[in-house]
Amino acid sequence: IAGITQAPTSQILAAGRRMTLRCTQDMRHNAMYWYRQDLGLGLRLIHYSNTAGTTGKGEVPDGYSVSRANTDDFPLTLASAVPSQTSVYFCASSDETGGPGEQFFGPGTRLTVL
Amino acid sequence: GQNIDQPTEMTATEGAIVQINCTYQTSGFNGLFWYQQHAGEAPTFLSYNVLDGLEEKGRFSSFLSRSKGYSYLLLKELQMKDSASYLCAVTESNYQLIWGAGTKLIIKP
Repeated sequence: IAGITQAPTSQILAAGRRMTLRCTQDMRHNAMYWYRQDLGLGLRLIHYSNTAGTTGKGEVPDGYSVSRANTDDFPLTLASAVPSQTSVYFCASSDETGGPGEQFFGPGTRLTVL
Repeated sequence: GQNIDQPTEMTATEGAIVQINCTYQTSGFNGLFWYQQHAGEAPTFLSYNVLDGLEEKGRFSSFLSRSKGYSYLLLKELQMKDSASYLCAVTESNYQLIWGAGTKLIIKP
């Protein structure tokens, strides 16, 4: 693979179910991010990781968790999905070693919670 | 508080020039990004400004005034493929991005 990938592309989920969105990058970027994008709103940061083994909370972390066991993978888990989590989810990565870096985005996961 | 403002939608004619403005108020500043996002796709990087002035890259230019909390993206010789949303984002001292809601640009023949 080249770049950043996400899976699944789309998903319809019953409320209350647990769901993990996958994200993998092969650019050896230190920083990774999860955003949600809703109509009329800007991208909102859910969680981030500055380096493998560390994570942090963004603007809208409630109901979501992440892990960063290695450099390449950054999965996002919804422990018990609710309809308000219906959104398009983007994973991104960047090289922040020398300062702010361009963020590269995955293709997105369109999630519908019913 | 933190706030980034962009017009919601703009319309322009193929071959013309359009300027998309962005104003920001953030607690820190480490640069300003512009991204392009076509409908149903992921955002892609266009430009990064950290110093005042104009950065030119082909048909696209981006301007920054830190003292005024203001940036604009200038698109010249508009093409139909430029129809997209343009996202302004400010990076704070922790390198995290604060995003504007985006400007949807509609190009008419």
